[in-house]
Amino acid sequence: AQSVTQLDSHVSVSEGTPVLLRCNYSSSYSPSLFWYVQHPNKGLQLLLKYTSAATLVKGINGFEAEFKKSETSFHLTKPSAHMSDAAEYFCVVSYSGGYNKLIFGAGTRLAVHP
Amino acid sequence: SAVISQKPSRDICQRGTSLTIQCQVDSQVTMMFWYRQQPGQSLTLIATANQGSEATYESGFVIDKFPISRPNLTFSTLTVSNMSPEDSSIYLCSVQGQGDEQYFGPGTRLTVT
Repeated sequence: AQSVTQLDSHVSVSEGTPVLLRCNYSSSYSPSLFWYVQHPNKGLQLLLKYTSAATLVKGINGFEAEFKKSETSFHLTKPSAHMSDAAEYFCVVSYSGGYNKLIFGAGTRLAVHP
Repeated sequence: SAVISQKPSRDICQRGTSLTIQCQVDSQVTMMFWYRQQPGQSLTLIATANQGSEATYESGFVIDKFPISRPNLTFSTLTVSNMSPEDSSIYLCSVQGQGDEQYFGPGTRLTVT
């Protein structure tokens, strides 16, 4: 069965410092993996997706994630945090058991301090 | 990506009543999905709705409580029936993109008193 574990429920960084949000997945086949962001009182926005092409995936707003099969990880990074990055981030795996179902991690709340 | 709208954006309802949430997409899509996000929680899939067929419900969700309609390829509704305070959540619809990704509507924030 597919699942995702986000290793940190809260991450706090200073503006201008790097961001690392950790995600491990479990899948019995080669998965599709995603990161979504949810700003307060806003809908979900797709940041980036991995679909078995390049292992380093670049997304919007300077975010990127690296798929590491040996570690079953898909961590999200950004070199320099901005105040506007403060939001909830979800790591997501796609389950293709007859229909496309997304399985969401518990989420990581990112706080950015001046 | 598709543009998705939901109505209402928020509502406050009395327990025992029902609320129907509408989801409109600006292009034709085969599959639409309904999710629930309880306060401070992640998203959980309620059901998958294909046009012209019965919705497929996930474990823990039943049609009597969450009836879904899918009359055409751009529209769907989710009804939350006989509401209780435990139904207070954000309800989101989504559509599948060109790959496995999904695009989400802005959500409907429901409070049941």
